[in-house]
Amino acid sequence: GAVVSQHPSWVICKSGTSVKIECRSLDFQATTMFWYRQFPKQSLMLMATSNEGSKATYEQGVEKDKFLINHASLTLSTLTVTSAHPEDSSFYICSARDPSSGYGYTFGSGTRLTVV
Amino acid sequence: SQQGEEDPQALSIQEGENATMNCSYKTSINNLQWYRQNSGRGLVHLILIRSNEREKHSGRLRVTLDTSKKSSSLLITASRAADTASYFCATDYSGNTPLVFGKGTRLSVIA
Repeated sequence: GAVVSQHPSWVICKSGTSVKIECRSLDFQATTMFWYRQFPKQSLMLMATSNEGSKATYEQGVEKDKFLINHASLTLSTLTVTSAHPEDSSFYICSARDPSSGYGYTFGSGTRLTVV
Repeated sequence: SQQGEEDPQALSIQEGENATMNCSYKTSINNLQWYRQNSGRGLVHLILIRSNEREKHSGRLRVTLDTSKKSSSLLITASRAADTASYFCATDYSGNTPLVFGKGTRLSVIA
C-alpha cells in the first residue's frame, strides 16, 4: 500500500526556534496532504490542507504565519513551526489521499514535538 | 472542521470481555473508518464501512453503521490486553476532503 514517510519522529527544541517536519509520499504522488495536530489525550484536529504548487488552506484558528506549509513537489510536503512556544508541543501527523488503496488515506507515523 | 462525538470517552474492561464504542457524526458521509492509536504512536487503520453498508466484520471486529441516526459502533470481541489503545472513528465526506476524526475512546483491557 501507499506509504507516507514522516520525519523526524520526535524533536525537542527551545522556545523561539523553528522546527521543520517533512512528509514524503514514497510510492505515489500526493497532490494533497493534510496536516493534523493532536494534543495529549485528545483527538486529531485538522490544521491545514496543502496542495502541490499552491498555497495551503488553513483551518479556523490556525495561524498561517506560524505554521508554514510548503508543498513544492508531488512527493514532499513540509510543516515548519516557527518561533515555537511550549504550547505548540503536540503530536503532528500528516495524511495523504491515495485512491489506489481500499480506504483512500495513508498517514505518516507522526512527529512528537516538545518545546522547552 | 466538524468533529463527531464518541462514547464512552474511556472504557475499562477485563480480558475476554467485549468492548463496544459508539460514534456519531453530523452530516452525510461517503464512508466511515475506525482507527486505533497506541499511546504516543501513529494510527492503525482497522476497518472501513461505506455509506451503503450496514455491518462489516474483520476478525474480532464488528462495525455497524446507521446512516439514519448518523451513528456507528465498533465492537471488539474477546478483548485482549494488547487491544489497550485509543480508538477513533473518522468520517470521509466527499471528494478530496480530509478525514474528520471523532473524539475517541480510550480502551483499557485488564489482564
